Amino acid sequence: EDQVTQSPEALRLQEGESSSLNCSYTVSGLRGLFWYRQDPGKGPEFLFTLYSAGEEKEKERLKATLTKKESFLHITAPKPEDSATYLCAVHNQAGTALIFGKGTTLSVSS
Amino acid sequence: EADIYQTPRYLVIGTGKKITLECSQTMGHDKMYWYQQDPGMELHLIHYSYGVNSTEKGDLSSESTVSRIRTEHFPLTLESARPSHTSQYLCASSESAGGKETQYFGPGTRLLVL
Repeated sequence: EDQVTQSPEALRLQEGESSSLNCSYTVSGLRGLFWYRQDPGKGPEFLFTLYSAGEEKEKERLKATLTKKESFLHITAPKPEDSATYLCAVHNQAGTALIFGKGTTLSVSS
Repeated sequence: EADIYQTPRYLVIGTGKKITLECSQTMGHDKMYWYQQDPGMELHLIHYSYGVNSTEKGDLSSESTVSRIRTEHFPLTLESARPSHTSQYLCASSESAGGKETQYFGPGTRLLVL
């Protein structure tokens, strides 16, 4: 069964305290792993797509990496404006839908 | 990046009313999707469309219906709203290029059925 599991469910950091969010997945034939940011009451905002193990992508303080079974979203020196829920998703085997994890809610305090 | 619009953003309505949630995109994307998201839970696909006059049900069973008469427009309708339909509804669109596809989301409609 296609499945995405994210950990931790919630993460509290001090400003400048780097950390990583985990996304583990089970799907036959990965067709892309996606990271989104979602602010309260808003739709998910696209961050990254990763397609093959070893691939890395960066955007400001965020860096996403991919292995054959999991992806990490590294946050370097976070700021309060990085506070949000970060969602991970993969295409299902049929390629007709994205399978989402429940997300990691990040809170960064100054 | 896609421009996707959803209206209304918030809707409070009584049981038994018919409602239509609007979704439109300006990027000419062939594929469009409707997801349902409850607080603290995953997004679940309820409908998708790969083009005009093409609609399919998603993984999550839903009493809603959709139509795709124009490429840019993908409305969702509930014929008779019930409290169990209370949720956030998110519309998305995507295009495929070289086997790679990214979905872009609208701001969502938060529905409360009393």
